[in-house]
Amino acid sequence: QKEVEQNSGPLSVPEGAIASLNCTYSDRGSQSFFWYRQYSGKSPELIMSIYSNGDKEDGRFTAQLNKASQYVSLLIRDSQPSDSATYLCAVILSGGYNKLIFGAGTRLAVHP
Amino acid sequence: ETGVTQSPTHLIKTRGQQVTLRCSSQSGHNTVSWYQQALGQGPQFIFQYYREEENGRGNFPPRFSGLQFPNYSSELNVNALELDDSALYLCASSLPGEETQYFGPGTRLLVL
Repeated sequence: QKEVEQNSGPLSVPEGAIASLNCTYSDRGSQSFFWYRQYSGKSPELIMSIYSNGDKEDGRFTAQLNKASQYVSLLIRDSQPSDSATYLCAVILSGGYNKLIFGAGTRLAVHP
Repeated sequence: ETGVTQSPTHLIKTRGQQVTLRCSSQSGHNTVSWYQQALGQGPQFIFQYYREEENGRGNFPPRFSGLQFPNYSSELNVNALELDDSALYLCASSLPGEETQYFGPGTRLLVL
């Protein structure tokens, strides 16, 4: 079992819709979770972090964390073509130093 | 505030050669981590430096080595290059005591 798993996609949504991106992780003790966006040929850009169960909102983005289910998700409201990118879920495992473990990423395509 | 910078942006080497990649961390960030991202995959942790010492290492062979300097800038050295070393090499920095990592633009290495 991979430490962090994401559906590779592509996830295709129409402009203006809600995009839902999901991520599961294997280390039950993990406490820190991050979503990064990566445009083709570019480096990852931090969208948001989440540490507590529940929802965390930042503009059009909402991260959701459920530690009991070992599940973290990212919702993008009012999706725009400029949101088309690969979304990377990253987790810091328990008991170690500040090392990010990434999923393979989900490719999102927002079509007009 | 200056973000994370990396040099060079692109590099072509042949098998067996050695390469040095450089990273300047964001202002005030004393922890630098290096990641390798192969095409279509998420970044893989190589190692982390804190106060000029290696603070943790991923599953990479000893021919991958690094340094951190008193100004917190860092180098990644790879000896005896192999074809599979072709990837995007990412440097990320973080503030003291913080888990959030901010990535530089990356160095794209091609090994022929």
